[in-house]
Amino acid sequence: SQTIHQWPATLVQPVGSPLSLECTVEGTSNPNLYWYRQAAGRGLQLLFYSVGIGQISSEVPQNLSASRPQDRQFILSSKKLLLSDSGFYLCAWSGTSNTGELFFGEGSRLTVL
Amino acid sequence: SQQGEEDPQALSIQEGENATMNCSYKTSINNLQWYRQNSGRGLVHLILIRSNEREKHSGRLRVTLDTSKKSSSLLITASRAADTASYFCANPGGSYIPTFGRGTSLIVHP
Repeated sequence: SQTIHQWPATLVQPVGSPLSLECTVEGTSNPNLYWYRQAAGRGLQLLFYSVGIGQISSEVPQNLSASRPQDRQFILSSKKLLLSDSGFYLCAWSGTSNTGELFFGEGSRLTVL
Repeated sequence: SQQGEEDPQALSIQEGENATMNCSYKTSINNLQWYRQNSGRGLVHLILIRSNEREKHSGRLRVTLDTSKKSSSLLITASRAADTASYFCANPGGSYIPTFGRGTSLIVHP
């Protein structure tokens, strides 16, 4: 069966510090991978998605970047965090069918102070 | 941009009652999906309804889709306290990437 792991679960970082959130998927090949951000009481905002190694699409201009160094690994990064980067970050994967059904990780809570 | 928008934003009911949440979307869809999110957790896929379907059931869940009105509803029958969560609709657009609304926060009082 497929599983998705996301870490760290909780992170408190000072403004200006770097960020690295990691997500890995097991039990499937060539998944589509996604990073979403959820601000408090808000919906999910798509940040990045990837259909293959090294292929990253960005949905919104921001202080963040994403990389996919391996087929089942997706990394969200920032060189210098802003206060506005605080939020709940969710990684998800989907298969290559056209249903678009997503499978989410447990999320990473980032607080920037 | 957000494709689906849920209504109401918040819903508070007693255990045993039915809970109905609505979703409206803007452009044509291939399918529409409903997800559940417990507080502080990831989203879990509940049910998918295709654009050529009008109604679908899964256990205590009933989903309807009206493509002419660009709307969908999720009904949870005989609600339980464990149904307390946020519920989101999502639909893949032309790129098959689901976009989400702000969700409906459901509280079921025991």
